[in-house]
Amino acid sequence: QQQVKQSPQSLIVQKGGISIINCAYENTAFDYFPWYQQFPGKGPALLIAIRPDVSEKKEGRFTISFNKSAKQFSLHIMDSQPGDSATYFCAATTGGGNKLTFGTGTQLKVEL
Amino acid sequence: GAVVSQHPSRVICKSGTSVKIECRSLDFQATTMFWYRQFPKQSLMLMATSNEGSKATYEQGVEKDKFLINHASLTLSTLTVTSAHPEDSSFYICSIKGGVGNSPLHFGNGTRLTVT
Repeated sequence: QQQVKQSPQSLIVQKGGISIINCAYENTAFDYFPWYQQFPGKGPALLIAIRPDVSEKKEGRFTISFNKSAKQFSLHIMDSQPGDSATYFCAATTGGGNKLTFGTGTQLKVEL
Repeated sequence: GAVVSQHPSRVICKSGTSVKIECRSLDFQATTMFWYRQFPKQSLMLMATSNEGSKATYEQGVEKDKFLINHASLTLSTLTVTSAHPEDSSFYICSIKGGVGNSPLHFGNGTRLTVT
């Protein structure tokens, strides 16, 4: 019940295209859903986060869409750039964000 | 700027020796820090929660005698991998909370441990 399922495992997108990564969860107690970006050899960096009382959040080229009834949320990267090539993790947590449950990660490659 | 400083970034040690990894909170007084482990091309798994001035809380399956955690101040937590073996080779990452409530976790840049 604590699992967060993430897909796809890997993704190749052309420069300027839209990258979409999906996550699904079971635990309805989750109340905070961050996305992290990780470059090789580095720690994850917070990209954007959403709470379940909001259906969408946009920050620059990054948008989270949240479907509470379906227990799904997704990350959209608009106008994808080669510099966006990284591994993306969705995550979820309850009651203050002390313990993050991470998705399995998506390796994104943006090609010229 | 960086919120969490982790040191060293890479360490190679011989089997049977111990390695200490430091995690420093630069901007916050972190009463709680978290230690994660990540194998290549895999997700992050929480190992333990480090509590300032008290014992760490370990996740199921993590050996507390092997992975010693000390959180002696509000800005420093250390993870010591004792009697390291090749299977302990991994990427170890610490994190801190940026505030109260649903505030984000900030991660260090990780430590790549290789045990030969």
